[in-house]
This record gives sequence, structure tokens and C-alpha cells, in this order.
Amino acid sequence: AQTVTQSQPEMSVQEAETVTLSCTYDTSENNYYLFWYKQPPSRQMILVIRQEAYKQQNATENRFSVNFQKAAKSFSLKISDSQLGDTAMYFCAFMKNSGAGSYQLTFGKGTKLSVIP
Amino acid sequence: NAGVMQNPRHLVRRRGQEARLRCSPMKGHSHVYWYRQLPEEGLKFMVYLQKENIIDESGMPKERFSAEFPKEGPSILRIQQVVRGDSAAYFCASSLLKGTDTQYFGPGTRLTVL
Repeated sequence: AQTVTQSQPEMSVQEAETVTLSCTYDTSENNYYLFWYKQPPSRQMILVIRQEAYKQQNATENRFSVNFQKAAKSFSLKISDSQLGDTAMYFCAFMKNSGAGSYQLTFGKGTKLSVIP
Repeated sequence: NAGVMQNPRHLVRRRGQEARLRCSPMKGHSHVYWYRQLPEEGLKFMVYLQKENIIDESGMPKERFSAEFPKEGPSILRIQQVVRGDSAAYFCASSLLKGTDTQYFGPGTRLTVL
């Protein structure tokens, strides 16, 4: 079974600064996908970024980028130029590519990010 | 293009009653997933359905819980004889393609059992 660990329950960052959220995972799979989802106070789950494990290039989406280290099983999220609207819970998630349970997202427990004006 | 719709947004039930949660996937999506989020926890997979078929229900509790996705209409997650431990947020997600296609989430239904 896969596990996802987010070691930082809470973090804060000053507006316009950069912050990095950590995520590690444990799997014996070689082909899989990794995601970061954001859950603001509205509780809506919003996809932030997606990474395919077979791609060496790190995914980026505007101010959001990841540092994917496959050998280390690490998948951190960097938020640049933090904005007040980035305040939310951030969840790292894993999905394997084949076999039983391959359509399930396995989530970490989340990191609560507060952006301070 | 409307997103994933869930209703009701909030549902209050007394112990022993039934809860029915509805999910309408994004237009064109025929794959639906249900997840449960307990307080201070991440989401946990419950069930994956396609139209008229349950593909994977490995995360569903063995008793009292059932799910369906009929040919017409929304997907339904049904909880019979609710207990306080069922209080949680229930999220539905949908995807266009099967497998590892990105799942887009609805706003969730918060179930409170008194």
C-alpha cells in the first residue's frame, strides 16, 4: 500500500514571499502520478498541480512549481510571490498507474498554510 | 462548463436515519469517485463508479454504505442507519477518462449525525 506523509502540519509565510511545502511518499510502484490539491476555507478541493513520475521535468503552473525527486520519493510544492488567497490546506496525493486500486488518490494529512499580510 | 455538483451541501441526520448524498459529474465525465474526510484528516477513497457499474469499492465500509451511478441522473452515496462516527465531509470527484486522468472535486457534503 502507498503512504503519503506531509511533515509540516502548519506553516506561515509573508505576503509576496516564497514558501515550500514538503511531501514524501512510499511506494514500490515505478509508474505513478503525484498531485497537490488546495482546500481553502470554503472546503472546495482545487487541483494545484500534477506530475507524472516518468517525466523528469518538474511541473509548473504560474506561481506554483514542484521539486520532484523520484529516487528520494519526495514531491515538494513551492509557492512564489505568495498571495492572501493562497491561505488554505494543501494536500499532497499519490495515484498509481496500474493494478488494483490504480484509480484511487491517496492523500497526506495536509499542511495548513497561512499567508500573512 | 459547470463543475462537479454535490447536494445537499449540509445534511443533518439523527442516529438511525438514512443519508443520501448526490453527485453530478462535470459535463462529459462518466467516472465518479467518492471520498470521505474526517476532521483534521486527509481524504480517504471510498468507491469508484462508472455509469451503471461499480469498479472499485475497496474503501467502502462493509455495512450500511452503498453507492450507485445510474444511466440517467446523479451518483448517489447512501448511508443507512447513520451513527455519530459517520459525521464527516463527503467529496465526489469526476474524471473524463478512466484510470489516471485528473479528478476534479465537488464542494462536498458535510454530514452531521446528532
